[in-house]
Amino acid sequence: ELKVEQNPLFLSMQEGKNYTIYCNYSTTSDRLYWYRQDPGKSLESLFVLLSNGAVKQEGRLMASLDTKARLSTLHITAAVHDLSATYFCAVEETSGSRLTFGEGTQLTVNP
Amino acid sequence: DTEVTQTPKHLVMGMTNKKSLKCEQHMGHRAMYWYKQKAKKPPELMFVYSYEKLSINESVPSRFSPECPNSSLLNLHLHALQPEDSALYLCASSQDRTGGWNEQFFGPGTRLTVL
Repeated sequence: ELKVEQNPLFLSMQEGKNYTIYCNYSTTSDRLYWYRQDPGKSLESLFVLLSNGAVKQEGRLMASLDTKARLSTLHITAAVHDLSATYFCAVEETSGSRLTFGEGTQLTVNP
Repeated sequence: DTEVTQTPKHLVMGMTNKKSLKCEQHMGHRAMYWYKQKAKKPPELMFVYSYEKLSINESVPSRFSPECPNSSLLNLHLHALQPEDSALYLCASSQDRTGGWNEQFFGPGTRLTVL
């Protein structure tokens, strides 16, 4: 059974600081997705990572994938309040389109 | 059109009611999903339809009944629900690339309250 672990689960940051969210998974996969969810809202797709060494950047967020270590990271640079949300990583099983989600990281960026 | 739509946005129902949730996509996707999400938890997969056929049922109680009338529409029929079924119900769709990747696009969700 595929297991996905995120850490930290809660992250309180000061504006302007950098931090990294980690996503570890238990079985072989080269398809990993990052989603953002604002309170009471749906999931918004942030990044699609499809190969070992893949790196994607959008604004202050950068995601990477190391399939050998079974690890993805979401790096936040110079955080701003608008980044406050819950971030989920999700791994797609190679046998089908099922996604297994991590528990989510609730990020709060304080002024 | 890269949007998944869901209706209604909010639904309050009693335990004896019958209601339906609706989901629609016009991206030509051939896989559609229902998820249940409780507060501060990740989405939990309920059902997957692939090419209009039910391909995954995650042992969901029979008071939830999915239906896929065509490749663009997905319904979730609700009957005799319990208060613990109160949650955000999310619909998603994706391509259905066998052996390939399948990014899922989520609708805005239906906030369900069971009294």
